[in-house]
Amino acid sequence: DTQMTQSPSTLSASVGDRVTITCRASQSINSWLAWYQQKAGKAPQPLMYKASNLESGVSSRFSGSRSGTEFTLTISSLQPDDSGTYYCQQYNTYPWTFGQGTKVEIK
Amino acid sequence: ELHLLESGGGLVQPGGSLRLSCAASGFTFSIYAMSWVRQAPGKGLEWVSAISGSGGSTYYADSVRGRFTISRDNSNNTLYLQMDRLRGEDTAVYYCAKLGGTAQLYFDHWGQGTLLTVSS
Repeated sequence: DTQMTQSPSTLSASVGDRVTITCRASQSINSWLAWYQQKAGKAPQPLMYKASNLESGVSSRFSGSRSGTEFTLTISSLQPDDSGTYYCQQYNTYPWTFGQGTKVEIK
Repeated sequence: ELHLLESGGGLVQPGGSLRLSCAASGFTFSIYAMSWVRQAPGKGLEWVSAISGSGGSTYYADSVRGRFTISRDNSNNTLYLQMDRLRGEDTAVYYCAKLGGTAQLYFDHWGQGTLLTVSS
């Protein structure tokens, strides 16, 4: 199985900060990676797909990139509504697997 | 507007069975692969199972293979998850999710989830 390792596990930042979350795959997944945001008590919502493609309706403050098996989600200017837990997910091979999540808190 | 509505969750004893349903609307259901994803209380997301648009191909996580069966009724726009030989570790919120188009097999729409509790 492809293991997805996310870091950090938690992140506390101020409004306006640039925030980066990293996800590393245990083997090549090409660019078949998605990012999701989940707010407490709600279903996850997609942010990015194929590593760097912004989901329709998602703020352009979010961006994604890939370098080999390392993937990054960046929030260019953190806003209060960005609090929540972020997950990466590979869909290159079954079983599809998620990172363990990064909880983003606003200072 | 696209909508996914899960139902069928509840309290079940270990070893018991339950069937979850997901009613889909707002898109051409038969074209898209569908999936179930679960989340144990306070834990992360775990992919459970997926099925092709026609229903001819199914996929399972090792943790549920042989106990869970995914199926769909394209005439009624409904996705199912039959869960047998349930265990305590199956306790979770179960989400129904639609997959994106060809080669974009990420979860582009999610239902609100239904809670399964396995306990005696």
